[in-house]
Order: sequence, then structure tokens, then C-alpha cells
Amino acid sequence: KQEVTQIPAALSVPEGENLVLNCSFTDSAIYNLQWFRQDPGKGLTSLLLIQSSQREQTSGRLNASLDKSSGRSTLYIAASQPGDSATYLCAVKASRGSYIPTFGRGTSLIVHP
Amino acid sequence: EAGVVQSPRYKIIEKKQPVAFWCNPISGHNTLYWYLQNLGQGPELLIRYENEEAVDDSQLPKDRFSAERLKGVDSTLKIQPAELGDSAVYLCASSLEGTLTGELFFGEGSRLTVL
Repeated sequence: KQEVTQIPAALSVPEGENLVLNCSFTDSAIYNLQWFRQDPGKGLTSLLLIQSSQREQTSGRLNASLDKSSGRSTLYIAASQPGDSATYLCAVKASRGSYIPTFGRGTSLIVHP
Repeated sequence: EAGVVQSPRYKIIEKKQPVAFWCNPISGHNTLYWYLQNLGQGPELLIRYENEEAVDDSQLPKDRFSAERLKGVDSTLKIQPAELGDSAVYLCASSLEGTLTGELFFGEGSRLTVL
């Protein structure tokens, strides 16, 4: 059974800092990995999706990398802003078995001015 | 293009009452998911549909929960009777499987409070 862990659970930083959020998974047979953002009381918004054959994806100030062999993905946020404050979750979809996306518990990020 | 639509956004009921949640996925998406999210936790799968067929429902408490996806489009999740521990956010998601990405898209969720 796939297990997904996100570290740290919470992070508080001053505006302008570059951040790295971590996601690790136990089964490297993955189809894709997706990073989401969740604001309080809201649903999940897709940020980046990395296919198993890819090493990284970029969108604006966000960069996500994938290392299947070590079971890790990182989400890099450049020049953080208060508007980046949210919970960030990663979901790993298996490439065998049930193909269900499995989520981590998320990293709660606060960027203060 | 409209996203995943869920209703109601909020529901407060007394324990032992029934409740139903509705989800309209993104047009053309063949796969639909219902997830449960407790405070401070990641979403946990309840049931997954491929078209109108439930293909993963092992985590659905079948004694009180039921779901259906009519004609492979809209879906309804029902709880009867509700218990205090059912208070949570119920999230619906959809994806187009069989394509290159299989990207998952979520609705805003339905927040249930059982008193």
C-alpha cells in the first residue's frame, strides 16, 4: 500500500524567502505525482503534475521535481509572497493495482509580510 | 470550461438524519472520485467510478454510505443514518483517464456537521 509523507507539517517564513516542500512515497511504481494548493474552507487547486517519465515541471514561481528511485518529490517556491499562504498537498497515483491517487497530510505554509 | 461542481457547500444535520451530496464532474471526464477529508488530514478515498461502474469502494462504509453515478456523469453520495464521526468535508474529483496526464480536478467540497 502506497504511503505518502510530507515534511514539514507546518512552515512559517518571512516574505521573499525561497521555500522547499517535501513529499516522499514508499512505492516507486507511480503513474504521476500532482501538487495541490488548498486554501481554508476550499477545495484543492492543481498546481503542477509530473508524469513518471518526467523529472520536473515549472509554472511561474513554482518548480516541482520528481526522483522516483528515491521516492521523493520537492516543490520549490521562489520569492514567497503572503498570498502563497495555504496548505500544500501532494498526491501520488500508482501505476499498478488500483491506480488510486494517495495523498499526504500536507504542509501548512504561512508567509508573513 | 466549468470545473467540478458540488452541492451543498455546507450542511448541518442532527445525528441519525440522512444527508446527500451531489457532484457534477468536468464534462467528458470518465473517472469520478469521492474523498473524505478530516481537519488537518489529507483526502482519503471513499469510492472511485470509471464511467458508471464503481471500481474501488473498499473504503466506503457500506452499512450507512451509498453512492451512485447515473449515466456515467453526475454522482450522489448518501449517508443514512449520519453519525457524529461523519462530520468532515466530502470532496468530489474527476479526471480523464486513458489520456497522457490523468490530471485530477476537485470541487469546492461539501462540509458536513453532525450535531
